[in-house]
Amino acid sequence: DSGVTQTPKHLITATGQRVTLRCSPRSGDLSVYWYQQSLDQGLQFLIQYYNGEERAKGNILERFSAQQFPDLHSELNLSSLELGDSALYFCASSGRGRGYTFGSGTRLTVV
Amino acid sequence: GENVEQHPSTLSVQEGDSAVIKCTYSDSASNYFPWYKQELGKGPQLIIDIRSNVGEKKDQRIAVTLNKTAKHFSLHITETQPEDSAVYFCAASMGGGTSYGKLTFGQGTILTVHP
Repeated sequence: DSGVTQTPKHLITATGQRVTLRCSPRSGDLSVYWYQQSLDQGLQFLIQYYNGEERAKGNILERFSAQQFPDLHSELNLSSLELGDSALYFCASSGRGRGYTFGSGTRLTVV
Repeated sequence: GENVEQHPSTLSVQEGDSAVIKCTYSDSASNYFPWYKQELGKGPQLIIDIRSNVGEKKDQRIAVTLNKTAKHFSLHITETQPEDSAVYFCAASMGGGTSYGKLTFGQGTILTVHP
């Protein structure tokens, strides 16, 4: 168990819909990261939050947004979903001297 | 931005043999290099990492070496076992301290260890 908890594990939804993925970081970690893993693009960085503030943005679409709450959990919101958004979405967290650890992911299927 | 190349894409070895996976990175500012093992249906699991002020690090059967001048780093697994079979990813970042920053991943290596 990495200590990073992601829910739900699986999500099936229709095109055009909106979903919210949730992540609870490892206890004590202030940084939360979101990654997308697809067969053709590999593991791609989406966005990072540090103690509630956005720290860095990667290849995140405008239809996607995220936030980190005061209790440090984070949510990734995906809207106007397209078939191409089907992928594994991973959350990771890091802390001083503790390395970078990933959750078990949410498998999103858009039909 | 940073670019990480990983080779080989697939690697097949016999149990007990050694396995080596190599990565190169493009940005000399990168200073943190983790390796992850990903099994089917699971998230990437950190197996070893190295910082740019260290040339080599070992943890039992796993070792990582870093050549900053050449901008490449390698994962070495000795005495491989069937349970080592998985996809391995290298990554690089410019973070440190309280935040490691975004990771740029290599394309992955599918390692198969035959009993």
